[in-house]
Amino acid sequence: GAVVSQHPSWVICKSGTSVKIECRSLDFQATTMFWYRQFPKQSLMLMATSNEGSKATYEQGVEKDKFLINHASLTLSTLTVTSAHPEDSSFYICSAALHSSYNEQFFGPGTRLTVL
Amino acid sequence: AQKVTQAQTEISVVEKEDVTLDCVYETRDTTYYLFWYKQPPSGELVFLIRRNSFDEQNEISGRYSWNFQKSTSSFNFTITASQVVDSAVYFCALRSGGATNKLIFGTGTLLAVQP
Repeated sequence: GAVVSQHPSWVICKSGTSVKIECRSLDFQATTMFWYRQFPKQSLMLMATSNEGSKATYEQGVEKDKFLINHASLTLSTLTVTSAHPEDSSFYICSAALHSSYNEQFFGPGTRLTVL
Repeated sequence: AQKVTQAQTEISVVEKEDVTLDCVYETRDTTYYLFWYKQPPSGELVFLIRRNSFDEQNEISGRYSWNFQKSTSSFNFTITASQVVDSAVYFCALRSGGATNKLIFGTGTLLAVQP
């Protein structure tokens, strides 16, 4: 149980385009989902926390207008990178938890974004 | 402020050697949770262990063991008789016991096990 999927697993796009990444909890309902970014050979940095049906909470330094997060259902959250630029190239990982404060986070396999 | 320090950036060992990965954390919370994750080259995070702040018992799982010492704010991870398949980046992480579920990750230790 507790499987989280991400789609796509990798994407290459041109600079200036928008890219949507989906995160799904396959066998449980995730009240809270988290989005992380990991640059090569670096650690995971939390970008934002999203609760189903409400606006995401962004970490300091993360542009909410550039990284649009939608958590419309208990099994799906999407991250849209708008007007992507080469510096947005990174590994994006989502995680999902049953509740915000107690339950474990289960991680997706990640999405590798390359912006040309 | 919460912080996790993994001072070892890279470690290289020969197969069958034992290796210990260090993790030092900082927190003002009395209730908190510590984690270790493995990230193989594929990128997917693999959960290894969770330990809460009230449980200082060391744990052993097969070739893996963990040493939690609150007195030194450390949560070290030892792999006994390492194997090539253990090669990966290992992350230590800290989570507050409060309302937030936010995970603070260390910078990771790249372990290379040579045959």
